[in-house]
Amino acid sequence: QSALTQPASVSGSPGQSITISCTGTRNDVGTYNYVSWYQQLPGKAPKLIIFDVSNRPSGVSHRFSGSKSGHTASLTISGLQAEDEADYYCSSYTSRSTAVFGTGTKVTVL
Amino acid sequence: EVQLLESGGGLIQPGGSLRLSCAASGFTFNNYAMNWVRQAPGKGLEWLSGISDYGGSKYYADSVRGRFTISRDNSKNTLYLQMNSLRADDTAVYYCAKDTINGDYGVRYFDSWGQGTLVTVSS
Repeated sequence: QSALTQPASVSGSPGQSITISCTGTRNDVGTYNYVSWYQQLPGKAPKLIIFDVSNRPSGVSHRFSGSKSGHTASLTISGLQAEDEADYYCSSYTSRSTAVFGTGTKVTVL
Repeated sequence: EVQLLESGGGLIQPGGSLRLSCAASGFTFNNYAMNWVRQAPGKGLEWLSGISDYGGSKYYADSVRGRFTISRDNSKNTLYLQMNSLRADDTAVYYCAKDTINGDYGVRYFDSWGQGTLVTVSS
């Protein structure tokens, strides 16, 4: 099972919106709506911020939103803030009942 | 509050074995699937294995199938990962992660994570 493909880095200025893509195959993202996103702050464990493509767990900022089209899922961060600087990973359920993560994207706030 | 505490990491020679543990508290352990995820130094997350609520279903990534074995003891609220034939590229921080479902039909999302335990495979 190959990792889902994400851009290595994305940057934006405070207040701007950025979007991170996550491309898979028909064996994962393309078939299942079980896509999630995780935020990993430096030196910390990952945190679930989006599940079921576009749902936010309780307590997660409304500035985070998710979507999916075909084999590609996307995470959008609106009103970018300095505290959003972190690594972001997508994940998907697969046809083998397993999970696969994306390659990860480093978000830099300029 | 959900708490997950991994232990058992350390320095091990190539070809050696190690068993990781994850002590869980703050939730009904036997209601949820559990997973192991690792992160090599400076690299991304890699899902390794998952186990259903009562251990009847187990799932593995191709990279560890046949070498690693996941198990759980619901009487002790503890998850395990037995790692055999360790290689240098198994060097990583190993996290246990709670799933959001019982795992009868696979794994889904990881809504709570431990702080991880470092495994270093080196001679």
